[in-house]
Amino acid sequence: KNEVEQSPQNLTAQEGEFITINCSYSVGISALHWLQQHPGGGIVSLFMLSSGKKKHGRLIATINIQEKHSSLHITASHPRDSAVYICAVRTFGGGGADGLTFGKGTHLIIQP
Amino acid sequence: DVKVTQSSRYLVKRTGEKVFLECVQDMDHENMFWYRQDPGLGLRLIYFSYDVKMKEKGDIPEGYSVSREKKERFSLILESASTNQTSMYLCASSLNPPGVYEQYFGPGTRLTVT
Repeated sequence: KNEVEQSPQNLTAQEGEFITINCSYSVGISALHWLQQHPGGGIVSLFMLSSGKKKHGRLIATINIQEKHSSLHITASHPRDSAVYICAVRTFGGGGADGLTFGKGTHLIIQP
Repeated sequence: DVKVTQSSRYLVKRTGEKVFLECVQDMDHENMFWYRQDPGLGLRLIYFSYDVKMKEKGDIPEGYSVSREKKERFSLILESASTNQTSMYLCASSLNPPGVYEQYFGPGTRLTVT
């Protein structure tokens, strides 16, 4: 089973700072997901990527397949970015019944 | 927009009660999932269904069962609720194959068993 590690577990930053959240995994994957969970529980999918880089607004996700590592960056952070960010990977051949293995999440707080 | 709805946002039940959590999706997705989420443990898969009447156990199926009689509806059943089943329960759905396509999550049900 793939092991998915996220760092940091908790991150507090000031509004406007550049944020980086890291995700590493132990076994080759076919896809990596970044998810966002706001207080109250709802989870939304931010990115799904298998190579390179994707950008959506102030969010950028990168993946290095050789190093088994992905990063989620937030530029010009804002208090509304405060949330838990979760990395999930799909392992070749499946990482469980649903094919996804989840990291434990990074709790981000952006202070005004 | 894909919409995944869950029957309750908050639920309080007594130990030993039978509990039903309902999930409905409106995008004709083949796959539906039930997760529980606990502090420090992340999301853990309870059960997964890839078609009507088809199900597979996830990582932590003990104490739970599921039902999928219609494609859009996936129910999680706690046969005899216990305090260690107090948790946030999240339903999700996706196209096939699972993990390759985006998963869409419901708002979650926070269940407290007293």
